[in-house]
Amino acid sequence: DQQVKQNSPSLSVQEGRISILNCDYTNSMFDYFLWYKKYPAEGPTFLISISSIKDKNEDGRFTVFLNKSAKHLSLHIVPSQPGDSAVYFCAASRTTNAGKSTFGDGTTLTVKP
Amino acid sequence: NAGVTQTPKFQVLKTGQSMTLQCAQDMNHEYMSWYRQDPGMGLRLIHYSVGAGITDQGEVPNGYNVSRSTTEDFPLRLLSAAPSQTSVYFCASRLRNTGSYYEQYFGPGTRLTVT
Repeated sequence: DQQVKQNSPSLSVQEGRISILNCDYTNSMFDYFLWYKKYPAEGPTFLISISSIKDKNEDGRFTVFLNKSAKHLSLHIVPSQPGDSAVYFCAASRTTNAGKSTFGDGTTLTVKP
Repeated sequence: NAGVTQTPKFQVLKTGQSMTLQCAQDMNHEYMSWYRQDPGMGLRLIHYSVGAGITDQGEVPNGYNVSRSTTEDFPLRLLSAAPSQTSVYFCASRLRNTGSYYEQYFGPGTRLTVT
């Protein structure tokens, strides 16, 4: 049973437009969520996170929204740039067991110039 | 700081061989983890450690062994390699709970092929 799901394997957007990447989770015990970005042949790098006590967190062009009742989070990138083209992973953690993170399968974002 | 380093970058093994994937970090992070990533899939947790001398199993621990004798190093041992262990392996580390910061720092990965 996959506890963190990213249902869109790929997303293509035009440069300058908004990119919206989605993530759903099933375990209501998760209370901290993170997004990572991964380029080919590199390790993932941390992008942005959100605690379950918040419903929004912003960092520059990146905003993460959390809807706890729907067990859904989304990452918005505005405006999208060609350098944002990468695989984006959603991850979920429990503060009582924060040594472990559960990852989704990733969404490949392509931003076209 | 070098961050998280992994060696080797590439490795080809024959079925039944054993080997150790090395991971080191110079950030004095208490938490370290090993993940594998198969094509089209996310990262799956193999083993993790919350400090020197303390390790625990993740989602897919079978066929792998770990130990943590120092804060800096967290080697992953493949006991008897199988083709199903062909994957890209990532090591990661992070600080112990510091408020709300749970982000991990990843190494560049080891691409392992078992024939």
